Amino acid sequence: GESVGLHLPTLSVQEGDNSIINCAYSNSASDYFIWYKQESGKGPQFIIDIRSNMDKRQGQRVTVLLNKTVKHLSLQIAATQPGDSAVYFCADTGSARQLTFGSGTQLTVLP
Amino acid sequence: DAGVIQSPRHEVTEMGQEVTLRCKPISGHNSLFWYRQTMMRGLELLIYFNNNVPIDDSGMPEDRFSAKMPNASFSTLKIQPSEPRDSAVYFCASGGEVLNNEQFFGPGTRLTVL
Repeated sequence: GESVGLHLPTLSVQEGDNSIINCAYSNSASDYFIWYKQESGKGPQFIIDIRSNMDKRQGQRVTVLLNKTVKHLSLQIAATQPGDSAVYFCADTGSARQLTFGSGTQLTVLP
Repeated sequence: DAGVIQSPRHEVTEMGQEVTLRCKPISGHNSLFWYRQTMMRGLELLIYFNNNVPIDDSGMPEDRFSAKMPNASFSTLKIQPSEPRDSAVYFCASGGEVLNNEQFFGPGTRLTVL
């Protein structure tokens, strides 16, 4: 059928719960990975990054996990807050420094 | 630092008109990227510059699109002539150190071509 636009995966969580957003990448040569958050009407905003020589990195309330074996990346947000509602993109890059973005996941935090 | 600055924030024009989008990267950054975001195709890289030199323009849709970076503090993306299918949000991003590929995005320009 005709495409009517990107169908973003959605995730709804209760305020205070933990959120896990998943992402698969395809380029086995990618050595740098970033998570971006995009709120409505704004540009993507950096959250956290990780290099391929690591499998876990923690920030403030966020943790990124990298599984290179299955080319999978996840973002964990602890104690999700209403302000966390946004579209979350993963991106990866190799030596060319060009980011390849995923299609994004819409996170909705329920009161 | 004010971050990446883009202008205009909104542009409405008629089909066939020339459109020029502007970007001021973060001072000291040596790479600059132009992206287009639509509901149909998501976030697409159009072109990127390193030290003011275009490195990869394979994402530029067609000859109607052109980008320049005359100096380290300014870049333009021009569409001539514009078409309704060019309607999108155009983002500029800049990047810093070679070992850190993080890109900082501007607020975007929402372009509507009637």
